[in-house]
Amino acid sequence: DTAVSQTPKYLVTQMGNDKSIKCEQNLGHDTMYWYKQDSKKFLKIMFSYNNKELIINETVPNRFSPKSPDKAHLNLHINSLELGDSAVYFCASSPRTGGGEQYFGPGTRLTVT
Amino acid sequence: QKEVEQNSGPLSVPEGAIASLNCTYSDRGSQSFFWYRQYSGKSPELIMFIYSNGDKEDGRFTAQLNKASQYVSLLIRDSQPSDSATYLCAVRSGNNRKLIWGLGTSLAVNP
Repeated sequence: DTAVSQTPKYLVTQMGNDKSIKCEQNLGHDTMYWYKQDSKKFLKIMFSYNNKELIINETVPNRFSPKSPDKAHLNLHINSLELGDSAVYFCASSPRTGGGEQYFGPGTRLTVT
Repeated sequence: QKEVEQNSGPLSVPEGAIASLNCTYSDRGSQSFFWYRQYSGKSPELIMFIYSNGDKEDGRFTAQLNKASQYVSLLIRDSQPSDSATYLCAVRSGNNRKLIWGLGTSLAVNP
């Protein structure tokens, strides 16, 4: 049973398109995160939700909009994709807000051409 | 700007040796420290965490914390080729809702 799952695993799209990534966790955790890992491997927090409430919103372009329909799901919608958005996007969850014990999904590799 | 620094490596050790990975942090208010392992093309996986000064052992892994000097290290004893991965250090301040991540150290264990 996959603890944190993401779809799709790969996403190849053209500049200007809009795309979504979905994440689900079956660990019963209250907190979920979106991270971006670029080609230099730096893991950058983008957003965090605690029980459907947005608690972290880093300096991310408005083109990125997260949505949490319930505490087990966290989606990421990206409008007007740009070349610089190419990266691996990881979803993660943790049992406590701001907890360092985080469980990551397999990642979504986004390539914008 | 709170920072976590790691030597990017690659750190190369022979099989069976001890691998020593180091991490320094800038925020003296940091209270909890985490080591994640990330294999190439995979997601980060938590392997150790430490909250108090001193050593914490788990199997072949030992985390060491020195708050006065603001560093945390990870020792891997009897290194195996399967330990070859990037090791990410992450630090959480007392009232911070997020982790501050290092860039990671690439470890290569040679048979």
